[in-house]
Amino acid sequence: QSVLTQPPSVSAAPGQKVTISCFGSSSNIGSNYVSWYQQLPGTAPKLLVYENNKRPSGIPDRFSGSKSGTSATLGITGLQTGDEADYYCGTWDSSLSAWVFGGGTKLTVL
Amino acid sequence: EVQLAQSGAEVKKPGESLKISCKGSGYSFTSYWIGWVRQMPGKGLELMGIIHPGDSDTRYSPSFQGQVTISVDKSISTAYLQWSSLKASDTAMYYCALIVVVTNTDWYFDLWGRGTLVTVSS
Repeated sequence: QSVLTQPPSVSAAPGQKVTISCFGSSSNIGSNYVSWYQQLPGTAPKLLVYENNKRPSGIPDRFSGSKSGTSATLGITGLQTGDEADYYCGTWDSSLSAWVFGGGTKLTVL
Repeated sequence: EVQLAQSGAEVKKPGESLKISCKGSGYSFTSYWIGWVRQMPGKGLELMGIIHPGDSDTRYSPSFQGQVTISVDKSISTAYLQWSSLKASDTAMYYCALIVVVTNTDWYFDLWGRGTLVTVSS
């Protein structure tokens, strides 16, 4: 079990908005930056958001990140079928002195 | 173009040894940490360990300490992950990733290799 908790799955219709949550604690999300990764089926993960809310070049502004207290959220607007993927949050855990990933959330665009 | 090129899929028997590779190009290889991430079939991502190619400083995640060895040959811009005695439970996809380190606790995986599938079966 990961120290970062994500819902196993979320779903929404094309064009709609979805949020994916990542719950942690004061030793990880509460005190460190969060990044998010998208893994399309059969491919390697890709960085979507870093330092809570920054997007790498080439990532559309449909993707956004935020953090409040000990939880972080990835938002995706204008959903497309091509957004169907697994999404992972990650951060440093100061108590474990280790990097941790969330368990991942499977997004289905109905 | 910044790239991490990983070696091809492997099929091994339990007890055999294995070394897989990750070659960086298009950037200063010795300036960025490289991480190895395991993804077991149908499961999530797990960081195994990281290495700094500049000085070979290596850190292992607790679950993987003593189970694998991470190394680097900076003369050919290549990082390695190796096992001395594989088990069936080592069957997984293994990714290398370029890590951007802002501070000791602020880092992220900026670029990923395509992965190397390792299958261990008798």
